[in-house]
Amino acid sequence: AQKVTQAQTEISVVEKEDVTLDCVYETRDTTYYLFWYKQPPSGELVFLIRRNSFDEQNEISGRYSWNFQKSTSSFNFTITASQVVDSAVYFCALSENNAGNMLTFGGGTRLMVKP
Amino acid sequence: DAGVIQSPRHEVTEMGQEVTLRCKPISGHDYLFWYRQTMMRGLELLIYFNNNVPIDDSGMPEDRFSAKMPNASFSTLKIQPSEPRDSAVYFCASGQGGNNEQFFGPGTRLTVL
Repeated sequence: AQKVTQAQTEISVVEKEDVTLDCVYETRDTTYYLFWYKQPPSGELVFLIRRNSFDEQNEISGRYSWNFQKSTSSFNFTITASQVVDSAVYFCALSENNAGNMLTFGGGTRLMVKP
Repeated sequence: DAGVIQSPRHEVTEMGQEVTLRCKPISGHDYLFWYRQTMMRGLELLIYFNNNVPIDDSGMPEDRFSAKMPNASFSTLKIQPSEPRDSAVYFCASGQGGNNEQFFGPGTRLTVL
């Protein structure tokens, strides 16, 4: 069975600090897909990134970067020079190749960026 | 594209009443998903469709919940009769192809009194 753990329920930082959100997953499948979503205070879920299990290259998009390490079953998300607008709940999610399109979400990490 | 459209955005009803939530997926997407979000249980997948056919409904909590997708551009999630514990935010999402990103609607906040 697939499982996603986000051990940090809440993180508070001051603007311009770097922050890393942890995500650890469990799966028996060799082919799987990892995702991050952002849920701002307005409530919608915004897609950020998708990685497949065969692509361990780190990805950078502006102030956002993702570190995928199969050896530790982790897919961590770092925000560099955080801004108040980054305040949101961030969800990590997993889908297994053999589970159709079913996404399993972690419990989410609430990030608060203070000015 | 307009994105995934859900209606209503807010629904307040009394216990025992029937509730119908509606979703219009992004045009061209062949997968549609219904999720429920609560503080206690987080984000849960209720059911998903592929090409209008229900594929997995194992997340539907009980027989009071039903979902349909009569065509590629419309789906409903119905709760009959509703109970206070059904209070949650219900999200609809759509996606194209297997294991690709899902795009979420704004959600329907349901309150059952």
